Amino acid sequence: GDSVTQMEGPVTLSEEAFLTINCTYTATGYPSLFWYVQYPGEGLQLLLKATKADDKGSNKGFEATYRKETTSFHLEKGSVQVSDSAVYFCALERGADGLTFGKGTHLIIQP
Amino acid sequence: DAGVIQSPRHEVTEMGQEVTLRCKPISGHNSLFWYRQTMMRGLELLIYFNNNVPIDDSGMPEDRFSAKMPNASFSTLKIQPSEPRDSAVYFCASSSGGDSPLHFGNGTRLTVT
Repeated sequence: GDSVTQMEGPVTLSEEAFLTINCTYTATGYPSLFWYVQYPGEGLQLLLKATKADDKGSNKGFEATYRKETTSFHLEKGSVQVSDSAVYFCALERGADGLTFGKGTHLIIQP
Repeated sequence: DAGVIQSPRHEVTEMGQEVTLRCKPISGHNSLFWYRQTMMRGLELLIYFNNNVPIDDSGMPEDRFSAKMPNASFSTLKIQPSEPRDSAVYFCASSSGGDSPLHFGNGTRLTVT
């Protein structure tokens, strides 16, 4: 079945550091790929998405490129802020069956 | 747009009691999803509805769990009887289908003692 694997957290960085959160997936066909962010006490919010190979999703300084050859969708940001502290979920969607999520990566940004 | 509304935000109950979680999707959205979030398993899809009809309930863990969507603006997830291992945060999400993203509610934190 479909699955998403994310790097284990927590990831702790200093403000203005470069961020990479790895995500790889297993799925048949050509899923759409997503990153969701969850702030404390809240539900998940869509951060960015890509629907086909080589697409780059971007939002709020975050980027991720759909790499079909490596089945990856790594999340990157050039300079993180304390306000980026949250849990980040990589997810895939194949057809209309809803999203399959990774387990989430807790990101902690220290001032 | 009020977003997806879930109630209650917190529920504490004793083992064996019935628990009902409620969700109001965003108006106009025709797909509704129930997820459970735990530290051990992350986010698990329990069931989803399309146009009020349950499409896939293969994620519902046991017969103790049931979900209904009597109309386009309301859904319930019921656990009867509840057990301590049901303790988790339960999220409801809705979307308008196609390429539109899921919109999540703020979740219901359930504690079964």
